[in-house]
Amino acid sequence: GDSVTQMEGPVTLSEEAFLTINCTYTATGYPSLFWYVQYPGEGLQLLLKATKADDKGSNKGFEATYRKETTSFHLEKGSVQVSDSAVYFCALITNRDDKIIFGKGTRLHILP
Amino acid sequence: GAGVSQSPSNKVTEKGKDVELRCDPISGHTALYWYRQSLGQGLEFLIYFQGNSAPDKSGLPSDRFSAERTGGSVSTLTIQRTQQEDSAVYLCASSQQGGEKLFFGSGTQLSVL
Repeated sequence: GDSVTQMEGPVTLSEEAFLTINCTYTATGYPSLFWYVQYPGEGLQLLLKATKADDKGSNKGFEATYRKETTSFHLEKGSVQVSDSAVYFCALITNRDDKIIFGKGTRLHILP
Repeated sequence: GAGVSQSPSNKVTEKGKDVELRCDPISGHTALYWYRQSLGQGLEFLIYFQGNSAPDKSGLPSDRFSAERTGGSVSTLTIQRTQQEDSAVYLCASSQQGGEKLFFGSGTQLSVL
């Protein structure tokens, strides 16, 4: 079945470091891909998305490129801030149905 | 309301009891999802409602779990004969037509003693 695999956390970085959180997927058809973020004490919210191969989603300095050849959607940010500390979830939705499948989440800690 | 509302926010129950969790989606959203968030397990899909279509129940972990959505709006997730392994945060989300951007509620923290 469809699935999403993302790197296990926690990931701990210093402020201004470069961030990569890996995400790969398995799906039939042509999924849309998402990153959701859950800040401490808050609900999940959509961070960015990409709906077809080679699309790049971006928001709040984060980027992710839909790579069909490697079935990946890695999340990157050039210079992280303490306020980026959160749990990040990679997710997909296929065009067969509207069920959204999430990865297990990656907890990110940014140290000042 | 402006967002997805879930109640109660916290529920403590004894093993073997039944519990009902409620979700009020954003008005006009036809799609409604239930997920379970456990430590180390990420977000586990439970059930999906879309308009008047038959719900996708493929994620329900056992026949102790059921959900309904009345009038295409409010949804109730029922867990019968709760077990300790049912302890988790139960999240509800809605979207306008299914897929794409989900709006999540704050969840119900369920603790089974």
